[in-house]
Amino acid sequence: DTEVTQTPKHLVMGMTNKKSLKCEQHMGHRAMYWYKQKAKKPPELMFVYSYEKLSINESVPSRFSPECPNSSLLNLHLHALQPEDSALYLCASSQDGTGGHSPLHFGNGTRLTVT
Amino acid sequence: DQQVKQNSPSLSVQEGRISILNCDYTNSMFDYFLWYKKYPAEGPTFLISISSIKDKNEDGRFTVFLNKSAKHLSLHIVPSQPGDSAVYFCAALPYSGGGADGLTFGKGTHLIIQP
Repeated sequence: DTEVTQTPKHLVMGMTNKKSLKCEQHMGHRAMYWYKQKAKKPPELMFVYSYEKLSINESVPSRFSPECPNSSLLNLHLHALQPEDSALYLCASSQDGTGGHSPLHFGNGTRLTVT
Repeated sequence: DQQVKQNSPSLSVQEGRISILNCDYTNSMFDYFLWYKKYPAEGPTFLISISSIKDKNEDGRFTVFLNKSAKHLSLHIVPSQPGDSAVYFCAALPYSGGGADGLTFGKGTHLIIQP
């Protein structure tokens, strides 16, 4: 079982809907990440939070809005998505939040379908 | 421009034999390398890592070799088992003076272990 928990596992939403993806870890990790993975492609970095502050935003459209309420939780708010945004959204965490080298631990992802 | 390259989309190996997965990188700033294993409908699972100050790291059946001058690393699995059938991603982190960085992934190699 993964120690990074993502909910929901599956989500179908229309282009006018507003929804949120949730991620939780209780390993005391100080960095949390959102990745997007399309079929047969590697995960692509979207956002990085380090010590609860957004440190990297990889030019992601504003229809994706991350939020880090505390050190254990990470949300991704979705609004006015397009069908091409359909993908597996992966959350990850790592122990080091200041550039240290520690592995990222991934959740099992939310499979998002935009209709 | 792909900074982490896995040139073999798939690899088929007989059970009990050695599996060798290769990875090349172009960014000289990368100094920490990781291998992840991914089953369908699950998030990537961390396998093994290596720092640029080493040329070999071993963990049970898994060994990673790093050749810095060639900007090449490889993952050896011996003996290969049916449960090793999965997609394997090579990933890299740059040296960073501050702030967490996301991983840069290769496109993955689908390893198939045949009985």
